[in-house]
Amino acid sequence: GEDVEQSLFLSVREGDSSVINCTYTDSSSTYLYWYKQEPGAGLQLLTYIFSNMDMKQDQRLTVLLNKKDKHLSLRIADTQTGDSAIYFCAESSGGGADGLTFGKGTHLIIQP
Amino acid sequence: EAQVTQNPRYLITVTGKKLTVTCSQNMNHEYMSWYRQDPGLGLRQIYYSMNVEVTDKGDVPEGYKVSRKEKRNFPLILESPSPNQTSLYFCASTSAREFGYEQYFGPGTRLTVT
Repeated sequence: GEDVEQSLFLSVREGDSSVINCTYTDSSSTYLYWYKQEPGAGLQLLTYIFSNMDMKQDQRLTVLLNKKDKHLSLRIADTQTGDSAIYFCAESSGGGADGLTFGKGTHLIIQP
Repeated sequence: EAQVTQNPRYLITVTGKKLTVTCSQNMNHEYMSWYRQDPGLGLRQIYYSMNVEVTDKGDVPEGYKVSRKEKRNFPLILESPSPNQTSLYFCASTSAREFGYEQYFGPGTRLTVT
């Protein structure tokens, strides 16, 4: 079945860039997503990329997709303390109506 | 305000005592899902529903039931809870968007089964 892998922790200094990586196995993935979970809260959609794109930029966020290697990354520029959260990579081959396959989540820890 | 609500937010119960976690959305979405979140395992889908009276198993359905009698409500039922069902549960409602679908998550229900 589909599998999504990401490292569990990432520690960065405030003001530096954070890069969170994700690999997936389903070559038919149509959409790939990044969700953010703040402490004590549910998940919120942060950004997404369609499988025929290789890059998407949205303010401080840059998503890079290497479809050949099935590798997705999320770069957060100028990381702030408010960025401290768990970031989930997710994929769906059917667009996501029947649910997504999530990675285990990466805890982003910000050092002062 | 568009939202997904879950109740209760916290629940401590004993093995074998039937319980229901309610989920309601006010966005008229057809698709809804239940997930559980466990440390080191991420989110795993329990059940999903594509419309009223249409439900299907996700990745970890054992020990759970759901129903979808109305579009807005999608309760999760544990007929005989066991300690391995201690977890954080999320309900999600799905909206069709130009990029596919966006899932809106409820605030979560932390369940402890002793």
